[in-house]
Amino acid sequence: SQQGEEDPQALSIQEGENATMNCSYKTSINNLQWYRQNSGRGLVHLILIRSNEREKHSGRLRVTLDTSKKSSSLLITASRAADTASYFCATGLQGAQKLVFGQGTRLTINP
Amino acid sequence: NAGVTQTPKFQVLKTGQSMTLQCAQDMNHNSMYWYRQDPGMGLRLIYYSASEGTTDKGEVPNGYNVSRLNKREFSLRLESAAPSQTSVYFCASSEAGWSEKLFFGSGTQLSVL
Repeated sequence: SQQGEEDPQALSIQEGENATMNCSYKTSINNLQWYRQNSGRGLVHLILIRSNEREKHSGRLRVTLDTSKKSSSLLITASRAADTASYFCATGLQGAQKLVFGQGTRLTINP
Repeated sequence: NAGVTQTPKFQVLKTGQSMTLQCAQDMNHNSMYWYRQDPGMGLRLIYYSASEGTTDKGEVPNGYNVSRLNKREFSLRLESAAPSQTSVYFCASSEAGWSEKLFFGSGTQLSVL
């Protein structure tokens, strides 16, 4: 099974609402990263949070990391139609030269 | 500033044909990567180059070869394409390894018939 698993697989909300996506992982990490992918495009980095950090903010994005539960969440506040995309978490594994991506959450913002 | 540039954007091959996917970055990054993306599978690492002159296998290297031509360029070669290699291929780079954020190209959509 995947190292990083996003939940839910798909999420549809109204513009202006908040969107929360979760990522769970199995082994110890050095860092956890979130990426966005618009349809037909490459991935764009959003936030990197290191294993000794608990929370990071970037504009309307808030990422939390709970290493005891091996989980992270990405919160997008006041969603916009332009936030419609797939969102991936990627875990930088401790002791390994690897960044492992989850399968992604497909977010749809309805106007 | 172009970032990471991949060519071609689309390609159709017949089984057994060969081709090379090209990737170049203009950010003076040390590390470069090739991923493939399949529906429901997320991104899987094919090969990576931690620094100029080094290459290492990733999760799914079979059927592929790579060349780190110089610090800017990292190519991926399919010697004898198979239908199982139908996928979207992404090149990425980072300043120094897995502890830094990755910058991705726009991808190559490859179909092998």
